[in-house]
Amino acid sequence: GQNIDQPTEMTATEGAIVQINCTYQTSGFNGLFWYQQHAGEAPTFLSYNVLDGLEEKGRFSSFLSRSKGYSYLLLKELQMKDSASYLCAVLDSNYQLIWGAGTKLIIKP
Amino acid sequence: GAVVSQHPSWVICKSGTSVKIECRSLDFQATTMFWYRQFPKQSLMLMATSNEGSKATYEQGVEKDKFLINHASLTLSTLTVTSAHPEDSSFYICSARVSEYEQYFGPGTRLTVT
Repeated sequence: GQNIDQPTEMTATEGAIVQINCTYQTSGFNGLFWYQQHAGEAPTFLSYNVLDGLEEKGRFSSFLSRSKGYSYLLLKELQMKDSASYLCAVLDSNYQLIWGAGTKLIIKP
Repeated sequence: GAVVSQHPSWVICKSGTSVKIECRSLDFQATTMFWYRQFPKQSLMLMATSNEGSKATYEQGVEKDKFLINHASLTLSTLTVTSAHPEDSSFYICSARVSEYEQYFGPGTRLTVT
């Protein structure tokens, strides 16, 4: 079956760095997405990786290793507004998004 | 970027009644839209794939007679929850596919069935 694992919850301090990991086992792979979702709102797109390596976009970076079925989202210079759930999703061979359960990130002052 | 709207943003209805949720792509045409449901503290669960001009494809376990989907135009898909029950209370989110790799999400509809 298809499976995406990410930690349920993480806590970090304002101004620090946090890494949210995601491992996946899917039927086919057409890329991996990271979305941010604030409570009661729809997900917003953060990043898309289809090739191995690190993609940097401002304070957020996303890494992919296809051979290991592994990705991480790195958030730098954490701000209170970064408190949200972070969803990892893989586009499978049918171009259907398979979603992880999400990681709730709590930022403390 | 592409904008997707949903209406209503929240709705309260009585058990046994039906509720219609609209999903519109405002500045682009979407041949494919997706309907998701999200329960508290859980991830998104795909309910169905809606294709313009054809019948929706429902995921396993989703009752097609209860969750009616109509994709009548390239910019509008509707989800009707028929004979709603309290267990149908959830956050319903639609998304519109722009390409195989891109989809944009609506703001979601909070449904509460009393």
